[in-house]
Amino acid sequence: GIQVEQSPPDLILQEGANSTLRCNFSDSVNNLQWFHQNPWGQLINLFYIPSGTKQNGRLSATTVATERYSLLYISSSQTTDSGVYFCAVGANSGGSNYKLTFGKGTLLTVNP
Amino acid sequence: DTAVSQTPKYLVTQMGNDKSIKCEQNLGHDTMYWYKQDSKKFLKIMFSYNNKELIINETVPNRFSPKSPDKAHLNLHINSLELGDSAVYFCASSQAEGTAIQETQYFGPGTRLLVL
Repeated sequence: GIQVEQSPPDLILQEGANSTLRCNFSDSVNNLQWFHQNPWGQLINLFYIPSGTKQNGRLSATTVATERYSLLYISSSQTTDSGVYFCAVGANSGGSNYKLTFGKGTLLTVNP
Repeated sequence: DTAVSQTPKYLVTQMGNDKSIKCEQNLGHDTMYWYKQDSKKFLKIMFSYNNKELIINETVPNRFSPKSPDKAHLNLHINSLELGDSAVYFCASSQAEGTAIQETQYFGPGTRLLVL
């Protein structure tokens, strides 16, 4: 099946700093989503972005499908950004169209 | 006005018991999922239903049996619970088109299962 690798696995920032999280995937995809799991365990969808660039406030994401990677940018980080960020992909082939395969996540800690 | 809801939120039970987790979505989606998140936060799909029909079963033990009475509900029944079943179980939903998931997948709040 498709492989999804996220980096870095852990990231510690001071409030106000910017960061970039990366997601590499091993096959062509028809679906790519970024999620934030907050410290209370809730999974929140940030972006649906199988290709191109999107922005939502301080967050933006870019997916270069031909090169099989996606980036999540967090600017002016706040303590409420802390949590685990997951990248999840839906593959084009191998019967995987109906499911998302998740990466292992990036644990972000933003200190005041 | 919760989009995807699960009950119960917490479940503590003894080994060998049978338990059920319920999931409901009010988004009008036609595809629902169960995921398991282990202690290392790894999320893995267990089942996927499209229009009440099972389309993905990811090598989950037979002790786990999903049931979808209608498009808005997907319940998970677990027989003979084992210590290794302790995890957080998430329900999710999305809209599919043809053979592919389209757009965003929405997750429920999770059910924290602890087997003693």
